[in-house]
Amino acid sequence: QLQLQESGPGLVKPSETLSLTCAVSGYSISSGYFWGWIRQPPGKGLEWIGTFFHSGSTYYTPSLKSRVTISVDTSKNQFSLDLSSVTAADTAIYYCARQLQWAFDYWGQGTLVTVSS
Amino acid sequence: QSALTQPASVSGSPGQSITISCTGTSSDVGSYKFVSWYQQHPGKAPTLMISEVTKRPSGVSNRFSGSKSGNTASLTISGLQAEDEADYYCYSYAGSGTFGVFGGGTKLTVL
Repeated sequence: QLQLQESGPGLVKPSETLSLTCAVSGYSISSGYFWGWIRQPPGKGLEWIGTFFHSGSTYYTPSLKSRVTISVDTSKNQFSLDLSSVTAADTAIYYCARQLQWAFDYWGQGTLVTVSS
Repeated sequence: QSALTQPASVSGSPGQSITISCTGTSSDVGSYKFVSWYQQHPGKAPTLMISEVTKRPSGVSNRFSGSKSGNTASLTISGLQAEDEADYYCYSYAGSGTFGVFGGGTKLTVL
């Protein structure tokens, strides 16, 4: 059974870099599929952040493109999200998910990241 | 890229049918078959209910169905049940450059 689990600091200071990791079990991410990050500010809707394909191609939402990097560590079967120069507006629950035909079919439970000094 | 447009809320009584619309543009919903729908209960991660406009993943009730006409996709829930009360989001592929966009979400209340 495929499972995804986000991890990382729950509190990040303004102007610093938010870094999260998504550990995947039950499937080797180097074998295929797209893998993505989505976020949800408290009480608000979902926002797609970015996606990568196992071959190395990455896709980012235009509004965050200048601050986002998604990378993969196949040896650990995990992928990561780095979001630089964060502000309070980046406070959100961050989810990782698998994408199949651009639909997110498996999700992690999500991790809340608060940006505050 | 603006979010896809969904009604903020819809409601229905048990046993009834409701439809949630998701309006985009010719650059996203209108051009691609990659529209999906998600159900989210409070405090939980979203769950995929419909992919590729009409496909229902294994385990999803056949009371849920999807369709698309022009720039608008729709999710229909028939035989409403109390457990269907949740937030629903649509998502569409939007081509190279933007790639993907979510709708603003719709809160479904079962009366």
